[in-house]
Amino acid sequence: QKEVEQNSGPLSVPEGAIASLNCTYSDRVSQSFFWYRQYSGKSPELIMSIYSNGDKEDGRFTAQLNKASQYVSLLIRDSQPSDSATYLCAVVKNFGNEKLTFGTGTRLTIIP
Amino acid sequence: GAVVSQHPSWVICKSGTSVKIECRSLDFQATTMFWYRQFPKQSLMLMATSNEGSKATYEQGVEKDKFLINHASLTLSTLTVTSAHPEDSSFYICSARGVVGGVRNTIYFGEGSWLTVV
Repeated sequence: QKEVEQNSGPLSVPEGAIASLNCTYSDRVSQSFFWYRQYSGKSPELIMSIYSNGDKEDGRFTAQLNKASQYVSLLIRDSQPSDSATYLCAVVKNFGNEKLTFGTGTRLTIIP
Repeated sequence: GAVVSQHPSWVICKSGTSVKIECRSLDFQATTMFWYRQFPKQSLMLMATSNEGSKATYEQGVEKDKFLINHASLTLSTLTVTSAHPEDSSFYICSARGVVGGVRNTIYFGEGSWLTVV
C-alpha cells in the first residue's frame, strides 16, 4: 500500500464547475497535509495546508480533512483553464520531521 | 511568498562529469533543506534531508557518494551529482523549511533544475 494515494486521472472538468481532488494516506499518525499544484516542467507550488479535521477555505480553494477516514480532499470552485495542472497531495508524519511524502498526483484539465 | 532559488535552471553535461546544483533561500533562514528528484510523469521522490552544519540524511536507495549534499549555511545547500550518467537525467528540486511570515516550518520549493546527461 502506498503511503499517499491519489487517482492519477486525468480528471476533466468544465470551466466554471467544481473540481474535486481526493487523497488517502496510510499512516494514522500523519499530522500535516498539503496540496501542491505543479504545471508541466515546473516546480510544485503550495496551494493549501491543513492540519485539523474539517474544512479550510482560501479563495476558490477548499481543503477538507478527515483523519478518522485518513482522507484529504481539495475542491476548486469556479474552475478556470489556468487551473489545469497536476495536483500533488503531500503528507508530513509528525512535527519536527518535516519530510513530505507525495502522492503520484492527479492531472486536472479544465475544459473551456 | 518566500523565495527559494535554484541554479542552474537547466544543465547539460557529458557522461562521467560532475554537476553542482545550488539551492538558496533568499528571504528566510532555512534550517532544513530537502532534495527531490522527479522523472517524467512521476511524483517527487525525496533523495535526502540536509540540516545546516551537519551531514545529510539520505533516503534508502540513494547513493550518498554519488549525490553529494552540502548545507554550509542557513541559506545555501548544494547537490553535486558525481560521475553523472544518462540515467541521472532528471528534474532535481530543492525545498527549504524555515520561519516565513511568522509561520513556523513552512516549506517552499525552488524552481527546479533540469539535468540532461549525454
